[in-house]
Amino acid sequence: DAKTTQPTSMDCAEGRAANLPCNHSTISGNEYVYWYRQIHSQGPQYIIHGLKNNETNEMASLIITEDRKSSTLILPHATLRDTAVYYCIVSPASGSRLTFGEGTQLTVNP
Amino acid sequence: DSGVTQTPKHLITATGQRVTLRCSPRSGDLSVYWYQQSLDQGLQFLIQYYNGEERAKGNILERFSAQQFPDLHSELNLSSLELGDSALYFCASSVAQGVSYEQYFGPGTRLTVT
Repeated sequence: DAKTTQPTSMDCAEGRAANLPCNHSTISGNEYVYWYRQIHSQGPQYIIHGLKNNETNEMASLIITEDRKSSTLILPHATLRDTAVYYCIVSPASGSRLTFGEGTQLTVNP
Repeated sequence: DSGVTQTPKHLITATGQRVTLRCSPRSGDLSVYWYQQSLDQGLQFLIQYYNGEERAKGNILERFSAQQFPDLHSELNLSSLELGDSALYFCASSVAQGVSYEQYFGPGTRLTVT
């Protein structure tokens, strides 16, 4: 699976958009970009995934660059409950394992 | 609530002992995954089962084994426990069909080996 690079930590003000970047320059054509988050030792929570088109769901938006070498997860109106470690994972469509890196610790401040 | 259940929530046991962790996947999900999260190793994939059969193996120790039963629930067996096995153990499930395989995680079992 392709390796991802994320900032170690980010801060965001409550009510503002949180933009979390991820680099995945070695991504292969059949690999999807997945985002998960983990709130303080709870089970990781699936957020969104995409192949090459931008995606949006009730939780977030995912913007993937045209060359697919990087992506950005956008939480449009961050709340305190969005404070978590966010993981960007590249995985083939055939599934199997998720390879978690260090992720980004997002702290939403009042 | 992801729909994935895990029991027990907490487990405290002594070195050398054996324990069994249980996972019930979301209704309709055929695939179950096990992950270990320790302070020094982060979240690591252990093993995957699909419809009763082992599909993929990660860094799972020989002292650990798993299985998936006909009703699709899964058990992770940890034996000859060592202090270093203390960790959070997560189970996840997915449909594992089509073109995307998002996984839904349970709340985890916290294992403490003393």
